[in-house]
Amino acid sequence: NAGVTQTPKFRILKIGQSMTLQCTQDMNHNYMYWYRQDPGMGLKLIYYSVGAGITDKGEVPNGYNVSRSTTEDFPLRLELAAPSQTSVYFCASTPSPHNYEQYFGPGTRLTVT
Amino acid sequence: DQQVKQNSPSLSVQEGRISILNCDYTNSMFDYFLWYKKYPAEGPTFLISISSIKDKNEDGRFTVFLNKSAKHLSLHIVPSQPGDSAVYFCAAIRLVEQGAQKLVFGQGTRLTINP
Repeated sequence: NAGVTQTPKFRILKIGQSMTLQCTQDMNHNYMYWYRQDPGMGLKLIYYSVGAGITDKGEVPNGYNVSRSTTEDFPLRLELAAPSQTSVYFCASTPSPHNYEQYFGPGTRLTVT
Repeated sequence: DQQVKQNSPSLSVQEGRISILNCDYTNSMFDYFLWYKKYPAEGPTFLISISSIKDKNEDGRFTVFLNKSAKHLSLHIVPSQPGDSAVYFCAAIRLVEQGAQKLVFGQGTRLTINP
């Protein structure tokens, strides 16, 4: 049982490039979340999903897209990378509305130059 | 609009003493409050939670207190141990449609336990 895994661990992008951050969980959790953490700040919610095929925007969705075709995977897509997207990205999951503990992955550190 | 605030970026405590981390919030509609602990290069890990209808929750060395009238919560760690050195995030949950949880995080407090 690996929990929540994220790939890659680190990535450097040039302005305007695109990439997909991968997130996979093996706990059969319905609810999944993407956050970003800027230096010295708390985590901010980008997008979330309540199950396969259902996604919705969080607090800071601009510049990102998500999809959820399976229960296990919740990839985050950056289409036109900008320096403002330099951040550490965390994926999290939780099994049900009544479980308030979100399980986090180790994060992806992204730099856009 | 910072709905959850941790005003102390850092705190240094002697091993064996009590560590008290503070958090203030502005939105009375939050349903639950949580504390997460984070080590460098790792994701946050859940520590303890408290419902908005309670005023105290205890789990071993960790106790969270909620003062709804002051919109303030605090985490007490006693006794503090070197392994407690980490960044602590306060977070508030708002439950939205279909049971999703929208977490709002504070900026974090870096706790250092000195031997």
